[in-house]
Amino acid sequence: NAGVTQTPKFRVLKTGQSMTLLCAQDMNHEYMYWYRQDPGMGLRLIHYSVGEGTTAKGEVPDGYNVSRLKKQNFLLGLESAAPSQTSVYFCASTGRGGYFGSPLHFGNGTRLTVT
Amino acid sequence: SQKIEQNSEALNIQEGKTATLTCNYTNYSPAYLQWYRQDPGRGPVFLLLIRENEKEKRKERLKVTFDTTLKQSLFHITASQPADSATYLCALDPDNYGQNFVFGPGTRLSVLP
Repeated sequence: NAGVTQTPKFRVLKTGQSMTLLCAQDMNHEYMYWYRQDPGMGLRLIHYSVGEGTTAKGEVPDGYNVSRLKKQNFLLGLESAAPSQTSVYFCASTGRGGYFGSPLHFGNGTRLTVT
Repeated sequence: SQKIEQNSEALNIQEGKTATLTCNYTNYSPAYLQWYRQDPGRGPVFLLLIRENEKEKRKERLKVTFDTTLKQSLFHITASQPADSATYLCALDPDNYGQNFVFGPGTRLSVLP
């Protein structure tokens, strides 16, 4: 039981390049999330999904796209990377949604640098 | 505007003492609050949840309180140990719809031997 797995762990991009971050969970969770974490700003929600085939915008969605084609996977795409997207990206999942107070399970992050 | 604040960016305490971390929120009415621990290079790990109708929750050396009038949650670690050194985050569901979570910036706790 691996929990939440993020790939890759590290990546360096040049401005304008594109990439996709992959999140996979093996807990059969319905809800999945992408956050970014920057010093002094805490975790900020980029996009989230409440089920297969559905996605929604969070607090800071600009410059990112997501897809949830399979229940266990949530992909975060950067179409044209910018230095402002240098950050640590965390994926999380939960089983019953926050209404029940179900805790989030996080991956160990992807450290992205855009030069 | 809505925001969550945690008392200080960093807190140093001596081993064996009680650490108290504060989470204050503005313009939210959360049904519950959660606390997480984050170690360097790792994702946050869930510790405790406290609901609005609960004044206090305990788990081993951890204690959380929730005061909806003050819009504040306190997180205590008693008999602190160097292994408790980490960043602690509070989180709430801003809409109580169960669809997303908002996190505070975190407090980095260092327990000195």
